[in-house]
Amino acid sequence: DTGVSQNPRHKITKRGQNVTFRCDPISEHNRLYWYRQTLGQGPEFLTYFQNEAQLEKSRLLSDRFSAERPKGSFSTLEIQRTEQGDSAMYLCASSLGPQIEAFFGQGTRLTVV
Amino acid sequence: AQTVTQSQPEMSVQEAETVTLSCTYDTSENNYYLFWYKQPPSRQMILVIRQEAYKQQNATENRFSVNFQKAAKSFSLKISDSQLGDTAMYFCAFRTIFGNEKLTFGTGTRLTIIP
Repeated sequence: DTGVSQNPRHKITKRGQNVTFRCDPISEHNRLYWYRQTLGQGPEFLTYFQNEAQLEKSRLLSDRFSAERPKGSFSTLEIQRTEQGDSAMYLCASSLGPQIEAFFGQGTRLTVV
Repeated sequence: AQTVTQSQPEMSVQEAETVTLSCTYDTSENNYYLFWYKQPPSRQMILVIRQEAYKQQNATENRFSVNFQKAAKSFSLKISDSQLGDTAMYFCAFRTIFGNEKLTFGTGTRLTIIP
């Protein structure tokens, strides 16, 4: 068990481009969560999945953001038409269930120039 | 909506000393969890300690313990015999037991252990 894996670790993109991040949770974890962390702030919830079903979406997740977990295993987070305000660390976490500890990945740091 | 407040942006302490990090929260829920997470530089966030609101006894994990005051909505973390490896950002977080599974985090406290 290698923990929650996120790729890429760093991404620099030009404003207006689309980017996609991948998260591989710990195997058998049916819950998968996405958070966004900006400098000097704590992580903010974006969305979460139970298996392949997306159960909750934050208002932070604008129409430019979409997340999928097609087979209930890995998940992708896509940002379309990136803006400078999207620059942040995007964190993924997974857990075995709602009452169980969530394990975090190392995050993907996005810089929009 | 729940809010979590950490009023100490930065703290530093000498190695082997004891340090207490403060956290207050606001909620109308009666059943919830509180957490302290540690985020070392360039490494993933890890859970330090967890407290269930329905438990009166304060949680402890080795050198880490909490002072949970439900009526005051206060949840402080005490680190005893601090070590260099304790240097990190520490986040207090809240989650309801039922319903939405999201964690609500505070803004964090940057703790530096001085050799």
